Amino acid sequence: LAKTTQPISMDSYEGQEVNITCSHNNIATNDYITWYQQFPSQGPRFIIQGYKTKVTNEVASLFIPADRKSSTLSLPRVSLSDTAVYYCLVGDVRNQGGKLIFGQGTELSVKP
Amino acid sequence: GAVVSQHPSWVICKSGTSVKIECRSLDFQATTMFWYRQFPKQSLMLMATSNEGSKATYEQGVEKDKFLINHASLTLSTLTVTSAHPEDSSFYICSASLRTSGKRRSNEQFFGPGTRLTVL
Repeated sequence: LAKTTQPISMDSYEGQEVNITCSHNNIATNDYITWYQQFPSQGPRFIIQGYKTKVTNEVASLFIPADRKSSTLSLPRVSLSDTAVYYCLVGDVRNQGGKLIFGQGTELSVKP
Repeated sequence: GAVVSQHPSWVICKSGTSVKIECRSLDFQATTMFWYRQFPKQSLMLMATSNEGSKATYEQGVEKDKFLINHASLTLSTLTVTSAHPEDSSFYICSASLRTSGKRRSNEQFFGPGTRLTVL
């Protein structure tokens, strides 16, 4: 399973755009990139997933360069409620029952 | 979306007792369920992978005789912490992988809300 590296923490202010970059140099051909959000004392929540280029949903965008060795989660106009830990994971698209290995995550703190 | 529940949400027990935690997929059948443990300010650590009707697969360093996992049906998995000690105090989280037949996000797992275990 590809190892991921993220910044340990980031600070931001309400209304700003936040970009969290994840490195996954050993990503395999069939691996997808998935981001989860976790609030204190809660289970992780799925945010977004992608394979290449750009993916956008109602809460975030995911940018993946051509070499796929990194990815960037973009949160537009963050609010205080976006304060959480964000995890970047990679996994094999064919293995629906595949286990997820969580890295250390990025603790995002949004200030007023 | 798919919902996973855990029961209890928190439990306090005396050292030496056993504690059972339930994980249920409420509106879907789970091909596989996973159990994680998370200590304060740390990431989730995968403990074991559980498939319905078969023995769980434990990660390296996790004692299978201490953390008993039973996956009795496609909607229920239980984790029993046997002879619990204070060092077992942690946040235990389960997740369930959705059984699908068509194109779907890969490795999509739905996480439960977690169970806070405190061993005195």
